[in-house]
Amino acid sequence: KAGVTQTPRYLIKTRGQQVTLSCSPISGHRSVSWYQQTPGQGLQFLFEYFSETQRNKGNFPGRFSGRQFSNSRSEMNVSTLELGDSALYLCASSLVGQGGSGANVLTFGAGSRLTVL
Amino acid sequence: GDSVTQMEGPVTLSEEAFLTINCTYTATGYPSLFWYVQYPGEGLQLLLKATKADDKGSNKGFEATYRKETTSFHLEKGSVQVSDSAVYFCALSDRGGGRRALTFGSGTRLQVQP
Repeated sequence: KAGVTQTPRYLIKTRGQQVTLSCSPISGHRSVSWYQQTPGQGLQFLFEYFSETQRNKGNFPGRFSGRQFSNSRSEMNVSTLELGDSALYLCASSLVGQGGSGANVLTFGAGSRLTVL
Repeated sequence: GDSVTQMEGPVTLSEEAFLTINCTYTATGYPSLFWYVQYPGEGLQLLLKATKADDKGSNKGFEATYRKETTSFHLEKGSVQVSDSAVYFCALSDRGGGRRALTFGSGTRLQVQP
């Protein structure tokens, strides 16, 4: 069973540019979440998508956006890159139904490491 | 809001030593608790979980018990191996309102020496 696939694994951009990162969840998983990992701030939640709808959003500026497609694949976009956006961006998928509560077991991808120069 | 506090690392142990990584949490509801592990160059892997008070999660020799009275979820292993060297993250998921975001601790790096 294939895991969560993130592309690209590494990329370098300059300030002011924009970047798009892609995530393919585990087959059958309908929820995709994105996290930013930095040495200073640790792991911070960006947003979660379920059935093409953003269901939850973290405390990040509007430069950070995302979307989910009908096949559950997700992309996140960062516009007008800043040096502080350099980070490992992790995508995670989970097999959950819509709404309700319960343990949130996430399966993470290996991440996309973004360096902003 | 929710928060997770972990002991700072790095934690350096000799092979076969006993491991404890402390984790305490603050949450308004009744969260589920997790330990994730991150090996160099990889994403996070779920190590174990517990969904209610007094539950014990276990996997690969690691254990953690959900202690509501002390709001803790300490990770333990009786005998560590060099292959256990990694960064360990404690996390919680607030089950209220269907929220699915995980709140992570800052991570604890474990180094096991042969």
